[in-house]
Amino acid sequence: ETGVTQSPTHLIKTRGQQVTLRCSSQSGHNTVSWYQQALGQGPQFIFQYYREEENGRGNFPPRFSGLQFPNYSSELNVNALELDDSALYLCASSWTGLAGEFEQYFGPGTRLTVT
Amino acid sequence: AQSVSQHNHHVILSEAASLELGCNYSYGGTVNLFWYVQYPGQHLQLLLKYFSGDPLVKGIKGFEAEFIKSKFSFNLRKPSVQWSDTAEYFCAVKQGNTGKLIFGQGTTLQVKP
Repeated sequence: ETGVTQSPTHLIKTRGQQVTLRCSSQSGHNTVSWYQQALGQGPQFIFQYYREEENGRGNFPPRFSGLQFPNYSSELNVNALELDDSALYLCASSWTGLAGEFEQYFGPGTRLTVT
Repeated sequence: AQSVSQHNHHVILSEAASLELGCNYSYGGTVNLFWYVQYPGQHLQLLLKYFSGDPLVKGIKGFEAEFIKSKFSFNLRKPSVQWSDTAEYFCAVKQGNTGKLIFGQGTTLQVKP
């Protein structure tokens, strides 16, 4: 069983630039969620994708957007980067069926630094 | 707004001591409850979960947690900690059928050998 993988591991960007982070879900999972974790804090929910559509969104501005592909992998895009966007970005995958969503399994994260 | 509160931010114990980490949440409807652990240099791992049924749930590595609905609590316990339990522990709540996990701020556990 392949776990959740994310790329890249680390990334340094300049304020105002755009970034794309990638996530491959665990095999057998069809749902992907994205979280932002600032230093010393718990993860904050950005959004979730199920069946290639956004299925819930947290308190993040529209410059945070995403995609889910037919193979259930996902991208997180952030436009017009701000210094406060510096954080660890976590992807989590899960199975959603008729009974609802099961537990989420997390990847190792992408550390984004905005200078 | 829904929130999750972890009372202890930093806990230091000696090996073989008993552990209890507090977690309270603010949502009154149907919830799913989780504890995740992050060992040094590793990613978040699921420790245990509660969806329904027996409110006392057992997880990996000897951990257990009790869901007390009337107290909106889901405290994590372990009778005897080991040095290898040194890690950061996060309580998380998912309300109803939403995909949103709400995390607490985390508790850093340091176990002295």
